[in-house]
Amino acid sequence: DAMVIQNPRYQVTQFGKPVTLSCSQTLNHNVMYWYQQKSSQAPKLLFHYYDKDFNNEADTPDNFQSRRPNTSFCFLDIRSPGLGDAAMYLCATSRGLAVQYFGPGTRLTVL
Amino acid sequence: GNSVTQMEGPVTLSEEAFLTINCTYTATGYPSLFWYVQYPGEGLQLLLKATKADDKGSNKGFEATYRKETTSFHLEKGSVQVSDSAVYFCALSPLEIGGGFKTIFGAGTRLFVKA
Repeated sequence: DAMVIQNPRYQVTQFGKPVTLSCSQTLNHNVMYWYQQKSSQAPKLLFHYYDKDFNNEADTPDNFQSRRPNTSFCFLDIRSPGLGDAAMYLCATSRGLAVQYFGPGTRLTVL
Repeated sequence: GNSVTQMEGPVTLSEEAFLTINCTYTATGYPSLFWYVQYPGEGLQLLLKATKADDKGSNKGFEATYRKETTSFHLEKGSVQVSDSAVYFCALSPLEIGGGFKTIFGAGTRLFVKA
């Protein structure tokens, strides 16, 4: 039944240790997004894929990378997590210019 | 540029009270407008939307009307329940050249409903 799935739901990593978050979707949507949400704040768009085209937001740090090997999957790689990267990471999908469907999020803790 | 401003929270109401959460926007062109709800520990869920002026979005007893003349999209519910306690985000999506679009979110308004 789940349409946008994020794994894991909770991730703990150490300062500087690379981490990968996963998102998959069963909606066959062509657009996938990654957002960072810190406590009590609005989600902040990091980047999105429109089909295979990667679109990075101007203020997204180089520390954040993404991969989309196929339509269904998209990964968020944080190369060297800092304490300031602790947040909820939300994946979302849409069919072109349409409503976004969000996953449940992955809460990242950096020790 | 495009922006969304919504009333600061938290908003605390008693069960069955009337809810209004104000939202105003700045945008070029004719954006679509949304309300998303986020329950504790979860992602965002679309609550309702409106795609053109004077459209009214409604869902689960919540309503919002797209008012172009006042650039507003206020969220209302006639009788709130404890289960409505959540954070509510107003958002807009302008069309963007090149496909895809960037949703602009307001800061969110936390609602607490007491039994």
